[in-house]
Amino acid sequence: GEDVEQSLFLSVREGDSSVINCTYTDSSSTYLYWYKQEPGAGLQLLTYIFSNMDMKQDQRLTVLLNKKDKHLSLRIADTQTGDSAIYFCAESRDSSASKIIFGSGTRLSIRP
Amino acid sequence: SAVISQKPSRDICQRGTSLTIQCQVDSQVTMMFWYRQQPGQSLTLIATANQGSEATYESGFVIDKFPISRPNLTFSTLTVSNMSPEDSSIYLCSVEVVGVSYEQYFGPGTRLTVT
Repeated sequence: GEDVEQSLFLSVREGDSSVINCTYTDSSSTYLYWYKQEPGAGLQLLTYIFSNMDMKQDQRLTVLLNKKDKHLSLRIADTQTGDSAIYFCAESRDSSASKIIFGSGTRLSIRP
Repeated sequence: SAVISQKPSRDICQRGTSLTIQCQVDSQVTMMFWYRQQPGQSLTLIATANQGSEATYESGFVIDKFPISRPNLTFSTLTVSNMSPEDSSIYLCSVEVVGVSYEQYFGPGTRLTVT
């Protein structure tokens, strides 16, 4: 199957950490991605992880990959109001990333 | 990365008409793609735009409805033909940059409303 699943909504308090979870079904996934979409804007590639890695950190972002459970997460430390957006998990199955399958997106809202 | 622009950014069209969306990239890219994002939904790949040959369409999308051109390495168009309200969506162009094949970058999208 080609399903990539995410919860639809997440609400966190400003300054807390946000953790957005994703599960995928295809064990042959090569790259796994996180994209951010702000209101009225296109998609911004936030980060990605190769399937032979289990963790990647980039400033406030930490990606964890559990390949056995086909589970991917994105942790945003010290969440700010500017982090309000829809976050899409996505997978590709070939080395050129030509065909990317997207999840439904998680809408992250920040409360004061 | 690459800077991608799309024209128009939004349009309101009458049913039965056609709209051509342009995608321009500031650098040479290997692959160009067209996606559709229906209201409140995720992204669905329509087709891969191939330079100098016919586009490769995904299941459920056909050339007669979504003709695509890619005359060179930095430009592509997507036409939405004989539109109906069900075609109301955001249409996004994306690219893979030469030498960075595992990163796909997206344009700002074209928001289409069909009345």
